[in-house]
Amino acid sequence: SQQGEEDPQALSIQEGENATMNCSYKTSINNLQWYRQNSGRGLVHLILIRSNEREKHSGRLRVTLDTSKKSSSLLITASRAADTASYFCATDPLGGGTSYGKLTFGQGTILTVHP
Amino acid sequence: DAGITQSPRHKVTETGTPVTLRCHQTENHRYMYWYRQDPGHGLRLIHYSYGVKDTDKGEVSDGYSVSRSKTEDFLLTLESATSSQTSVYFCAISPGRQVSLNTEAFFGQGTRLTVV
Repeated sequence: SQQGEEDPQALSIQEGENATMNCSYKTSINNLQWYRQNSGRGLVHLILIRSNEREKHSGRLRVTLDTSKKSSSLLITASRAADTASYFCATDPLGGGTSYGKLTFGQGTILTVHP
Repeated sequence: DAGITQSPRHKVTETGTPVTLRCHQTENHRYMYWYRQDPGHGLRLIHYSYGVKDTDKGEVSDGYSVSRSKTEDFLLTLESATSSQTSVYFCAISPGRQVSLNTEAFFGQGTRLTVV
């Protein structure tokens, strides 16, 4: 089963509005990452938040992490039409050995920003 | 873009034939991964490598094998392709914890494989 589950599956907003996407996961993590995917392209890393961090900012992106609830949210402020893409959370599991680096992705949120 | 090249970018093959996808990196990263992406499933890990000749299975490894004889190349082989393996395949690389405890993955552009 998927470690990360995004919510909602699809989000449609107007330019200038904020977009919030949520991610839940099941096991202990070392960090949680958010990626973006434009149609027909590979994934691009957006932001990484460590398990001991609660909030992180990067430009118009704000990520929160609640390890007690095993959840994270990605907020995109003042959205633009160019933000239209799929967004995925990925969890890097805690532990060493062969568990390292096995990023587990959720199903993603499809964001559409209308001009 | 990180130096990752996937080949081929598109392939149509017949059921029962063997298929090999190649991932080539120029970043000298230790970790390499193969994922498949299907509607409704997100990205699922097939196999990954943590060094030359060191590989491990992911969650959907049945029907796939991998090899890594050089740091820069990671091959994914479908021994006998089936229609259920029609998918978009992504290679990813990561420096590994020897570099940093928290590292991102860099993705290739994907290979669209159709098995008919």
